[in-house]
Amino acid sequence: QKEVEQDPGPLSVPEGAIVSLNCTYSNSAFQYFMWYRQYSRKGPELLMYTYSSGNKEDGRFTAQVDKSSKYISLFIRDSQPSDSATYLCAMRTGANNLFFGTGTRLTVIP
Amino acid sequence: DGGITQSPKYLFRKEGQNVTLSCEQNLNHDAMYWYRQDPGQGLRLIYYSQIVNDFQKGDIAEGYSVSREKKESFPLTVTSAQKNPTAFYLCASNEGRIVYSNQPQHFGDGTRLSIL
Repeated sequence: QKEVEQDPGPLSVPEGAIVSLNCTYSNSAFQYFMWYRQYSRKGPELLMYTYSSGNKEDGRFTAQVDKSSKYISLFIRDSQPSDSATYLCAMRTGANNLFFGTGTRLTVIP
Repeated sequence: DGGITQSPKYLFRKEGQNVTLSCEQNLNHDAMYWYRQDPGQGLRLIYYSQIVNDFQKGDIAEGYSVSREKKESFPLTVTSAQKNPTAFYLCASNEGRIVYSNQPQHFGDGTRLSIL
């Protein structure tokens, strides 16, 4: 079983839709959770960074962590064509390297 | 502007050749990393370094080598022993040393390596 599971998609939505991206994990010691956005032929860009359980909001983006279910989500409200990218989840305990999901490819159709 | 610079953007390797990928950061970060990204496999850790003159193998270090002679530089050499080098290579860094750091990693824009 992989440490982090992420549905690869692809996911296509119309402009303005609410997008939900998800990852599940198996290691209950993970404490730090990240979402990265990666455009084609570019490096991942940090979108959201959360510690432990709860919600964090930044503009149109909301990150949610449910440690009891070992499940994290990224919600994108009012999605735009510029949101079209691959979204990677990543997580770590306090003392090891990052574990990444395989990424979900999102296309927002104008 | 602070950031991580990777060069070249594209690189081609001939059979039996070693090639070196450059990674420079001006963020004053201690920790630096090299990842390999293949379609459908996510990012896999090749090597990481916590301080100058120290580095550790990651999950897929075979066929690769690194050096860390300066804080801002962490070059990766893909040797001829790496039989399947075609991939997108990403360099990253974060504040603090790995074991104690709760800081997220920031990435460069990658080098795409192909076989001729």
